[in-house]
Amino acid sequence: QQQVKQSPQSLIVQKGGISIINCAYENTAFDYFPWYQQFPGKGPALLIAIRPDVSEKKEGRFTISFNKSAKQFSLHIMDSQPGDSATYFCAASINGAGSYQLTFGKGTKLSVIP
Amino acid sequence: GAVVSQHPSWVICKSGTSVKIECRSLDFQATTMFWYRQFPKQSLMLMATSNEGSKATYEQGVEKDKFLINHASLTLSTLTVTSAHPEDSSFYICSAQLAGRQETQYFGPGTRLLVL
Repeated sequence: QQQVKQSPQSLIVQKGGISIINCAYENTAFDYFPWYQQFPGKGPALLIAIRPDVSEKKEGRFTISFNKSAKQFSLHIMDSQPGDSATYFCAASINGAGSYQLTFGKGTKLSVIP
Repeated sequence: GAVVSQHPSWVICKSGTSVKIECRSLDFQATTMFWYRQFPKQSLMLMATSNEGSKATYEQGVEKDKFLINHASLTLSTLTVTSAHPEDSSFYICSAQLAGRQETQYFGPGTRLLVL
């Protein structure tokens, strides 16, 4: 059972455009929602994260929008650049006995073309 | 800050041999580390949760006798793939939780394992 569904699987955006990646979750016990960026052959890097008591969080060109009632959250990359081309993973976690295990979406491969 | 390293970055070994992968938190202490496996163009699959000073907790379907995890200190966890076979070839990634910010996992750069 896939607890975090991510779409689209791949995305092509022109330089300067807005990239939008969506995720939906099923388990209402999730209480932390990070986004990770991964370049080929590298480990994921934390981009930005949000908790369910906040509807939006912005850090530079990256914004998370969170809709608790719909159980959905999305990543917006403003002014997308070729250097943003990578695979993006949404994730969700619950505090289980002090250990936050992450449940990942399947990933979105973003290509920003000049 | 919050840097996690892995060693080696890539390894090629013969079928039947054992391979040890190290995961270190360089500038912080990590009471909990996680080990993931990632196949090409796929997401990360959690293999096990490693707590310092105690036995690792393995996810369903992961053979604990094949993937030995040791977390002997607050900055080091190791994953040993015993009697490796070609199907064990994969990208292995560790992550560490920062004490006080337990919801945040910092990932290592990964180790590419190729078993011939």
